[in-house]
Amino acid sequence: QAVVTQEPSLTVSPGGTVTLTCGSSTGAVTSGHYPYWFQQKPGQAPRTLIYDTSSKHSWTPARFSGSLLGGKATLTLSSAQPEDEADYYCLLAYSAARVFGGGTKLTVL
Amino acid sequence: QVQLVQSGAEVKKPGASVKVSCQASGYTFTSYYMHWVRLVPGQGLEWMGILNPSADSASYAQKLQGRVTMTRDTSTSTVYMQLSSLRSEDTAVYYCARANRFDYWGQGTLVTVSS
Repeated sequence: QAVVTQEPSLTVSPGGTVTLTCGSSTGAVTSGHYPYWFQQKPGQAPRTLIYDTSSKHSWTPARFSGSLLGGKATLTLSSAQPEDEADYYCLLAYSAARVFGGGTKLTVL
Repeated sequence: QVQLVQSGAEVKKPGASVKVSCQASGYTFTSYYMHWVRLVPGQGLEWMGILNPSADSASYAQKLQGRVTMTRDTSTSTVYMQLSSLRSEDTAVYYCARANRFDYWGQGTLVTVSS
């Protein structure tokens, strides 16, 4: 089974910008992996922010954006807010299977 | 409005089985596949598999093959996830999530495996 890699932790200042990445042990991440990004806060169910690399749900704040860069999927948070402090997970599709990354703990400080 | 309501917390002994339910409402049950995902303490999210409620067929994560079974009851719009031969490492919060871009999630069910 493929391994999906993320930064274990990142810190961003309020109002700052941070980019989270999502890599695959099988090679470059492409649109064919249909990358997803989820936000999870303690005691809550995950919330889907980004699907299919860069598409947003109606509830996704505009400050979040997704893309592909350098063979990885990326989630960029611009103008970070204190409420953005959370765990972020990417998910990649490998045919019928899906694999989550290990998650990135984002601190807004 | 779309809702996914899961069954309550469970405590199981190693070697036992657990069956978690997820009742859907607010949409046509057979129109959307359903994922099962678990949050393992200290490890993160793990994708477990996906069920097609229309065909009653499922695809499972390789790691869980042989221990997990996903089924549905169309009369109650409920999907089920059964995990057998439980180990302490199966202690987790289990979620169902509608496979329409993971747009709706259940509230989660804590399963604790302990002797």
